[in-house]
Amino acid sequence: EAGVTQFPSHSVIEKGQTVTLRCDPISGHDNLYWYRRVMGKEIKFLLHFVKESKQDESGMPNNRFLAERTGGTYSTLKVQPAELEDSGVYFCASRKTGAANEQFFGPGTRLTVL
Amino acid sequence: AQSVTQLDSHVSVSEGTPVLLRCNYSSSYSPSLFWYVQHPNKGLQLLLKYTSAATLVKGINGFEAEFKKSETSFHLTKPSAHMSDAAEYFCVVSLLYNFNKFYFGSGTKLNVKP
Repeated sequence: EAGVTQFPSHSVIEKGQTVTLRCDPISGHDNLYWYRRVMGKEIKFLLHFVKESKQDESGMPNNRFLAERTGGTYSTLKVQPAELEDSGVYFCASRKTGAANEQFFGPGTRLTVL
Repeated sequence: AQSVTQLDSHVSVSEGTPVLLRCNYSSSYSPSLFWYVQHPNKGLQLLLKYTSAATLVKGINGFEAEFKKSETSFHLTKPSAHMSDAAEYFCVVSLLYNFNKFYFGSGTKLNVKP
């Protein structure tokens, strides 16, 4: 069984540009999560999808961030326009609804905004 | 509100000696607690979890953790470190049986010396 995959693994962009991160969850996992780790800080929750619906987006920093999960499969996280403080590692996780099921994490996308 | 404090940002041990990674949590309600590990260029992997059953939890690769409510702690231990244990470890809290919104500690990097 393939794990959670994220693309790209690294992205370097200039301030003001747009970047789109992609996450492919484990097949059959209806829950999908985005997290972010800014340099030197803890990993922070951004949002949670159940299938294609946003269940909780309380962690999204501002309206420059847009997450979608059309069709309830893969998800994208777009940052437009990117700012310096958006640099960090963006993690995606997925989970199958059910008792005591853990979140499975991808390797992350390292975003550098210059 | 939930929060986690990992008391050491870096821990260095010699191979074959015990490992202790410290975690204290704060939670308004009964918590679920987790330890995840991240090896370089890999996703976060679940080591173990506490969900109100036995307070001593055994995980993979010989790790275990003890939930101590009176001390609000969930320290991770291993009797004998192996070179392959070198990684970054994250303590995580969520509401009991809520596997959606995770609150991470800032991480502890474990170095294992030969």
